[in-house]
Amino acid sequence: DTAVSQTPKYLVTQMGNDKSIKCEQNLGHDTMYWYKQDSKKFLKIMFSYNNKELIINETVPNRFSPKSPDKAHLNLHINSLELGDSAVYFCASSPSDRGTEQYFGPGTRLTVT
Amino acid sequence: TQLLEQSPQFLSIQEGENLTVYCNSSSVFSSLQWYRQEPGEGPVLLVTVVTGGEVKKLKRLTFQFGDARKDSSLHITAAQPGDTGLYLCAGIGSARQLTFGSGTQLTVLP
Repeated sequence: DTAVSQTPKYLVTQMGNDKSIKCEQNLGHDTMYWYKQDSKKFLKIMFSYNNKELIINETVPNRFSPKSPDKAHLNLHINSLELGDSAVYFCASSPSDRGTEQYFGPGTRLTVT
Repeated sequence: TQLLEQSPQFLSIQEGENLTVYCNSSSVFSSLQWYRQEPGEGPVLLVTVVTGGEVKKLKRLTFQFGDARKDSSLHITAAQPGDTGLYLCAGIGSARQLTFGSGTQLTVLP
């Protein structure tokens, strides 16, 4: 009965590879987000989707591409991984696009070697 | 860019002590949230404050939103080891997205 789930929990890969992180929420929320948390624990929004439409697209390299097949899923695909992409990536959801009451997944720790 | 600075960055105290964490900005936020994050998990929402001057209590935790809606504080009374975690403030501004603070890592020693 997990509210927001992400897979995988850990991802170790080499530079130049392409990888995907999946996110699913069973809360019936309209809005989903991807955040990046760096080694200093700073949490920064990357993307936001509302009803499968992209509404926030922060300054993120275009190697990062989100995809929302339906309201309950928001996946993150990363091309040509770089060392600096190493971080913890969090998926979150909220009932609306007003940013309130965000529910976070457990995170995916990405390590690029 | 709306920035939120938290202080202190690190705080280590003994069980039973009181503490206050501050969250400051030069920007006005329509509302402000506090989250707690434990190792290996995502942040969990503790409270949302909306009105300038608002005070909310959650058991031993007291949250206050500044009158000008630019700052907030979190006060914990009689801290317990279970309070250990990363405390994050987050403001909702004009872009209707959350801007997170720099975080306060709290360790409560038994």
